[in-house]
Amino acid sequence: EPEVTQTPSHQVTQMGQEVILRCVPISNHLYFYWYRQILGQKVEFLVSFYNNEISEKSEIFDDQFSVERPDGSNFTLKIRSTKLEDSAMYFCASSGPGGREKLFFGSGTQLSVL
Amino acid sequence: DQQVKQNSPSLSVQEGRISILNCDYTNSMFDYFLWYKKYPAEGPTFLISISSIKDKNEDGRFTVFLNKSAKHLSLHIVPSQPGDSAVYFCAASPISGGYNKLIFGAGTRLAVHP
Repeated sequence: EPEVTQTPSHQVTQMGQEVILRCVPISNHLYFYWYRQILGQKVEFLVSFYNNEISEKSEIFDDQFSVERPDGSNFTLKIRSTKLEDSAMYFCASSGPGGREKLFFGSGTQLSVL
Repeated sequence: DQQVKQNSPSLSVQEGRISILNCDYTNSMFDYFLWYKKYPAEGPTFLISISSIKDKNEDGRFTVFLNKSAKHLSLHIVPSQPGDSAVYFCAASPISGGYNKLIFGAGTRLAVHP
């Protein structure tokens, strides 16, 4: 079965540094998402992306966050200046041409900000 | 924000018996509901979904029931197997322009013991 792949699986960074989390969505999918889960808390929606633009973002997704689809296969989440509270598991997801189909999630990137 | 609630943090069931996981929601704009299963160090894996126009959807051992008037859904697993032991997330999606912004519950940890 096709899958969403995320790299790296773990990322440790110093507060104030920039990080880029990478994802390769399923190839024929058109809708892309980032979610995150802070330890012990719910999985939270961050942003959805369609047709090369953000379709919706949550209040968490402030100016420090950005997403990009630099080529036909990768989808990235950039955090410009990381804060301690950005430490979380970040999940990339994608869904098919219908958009309202099930989301397929990657295995996540565990981001630790020190 | 408690739009999707899973009030039981854990559930223990004997192998072969039925597991019933419950979920309540408050937002009447939700029209699509999903259950995901999550193992440690993995992303959520889609299990089953239901549209608000239905009250039941079945897929093998998994059945989801939706009671719109009570704003309640449940996932039944029959028969339960040890491999079903995982965290189960209920998620809901509001009526939108074609993509799935999922609002997750806090999850219920299911333990199926022999």
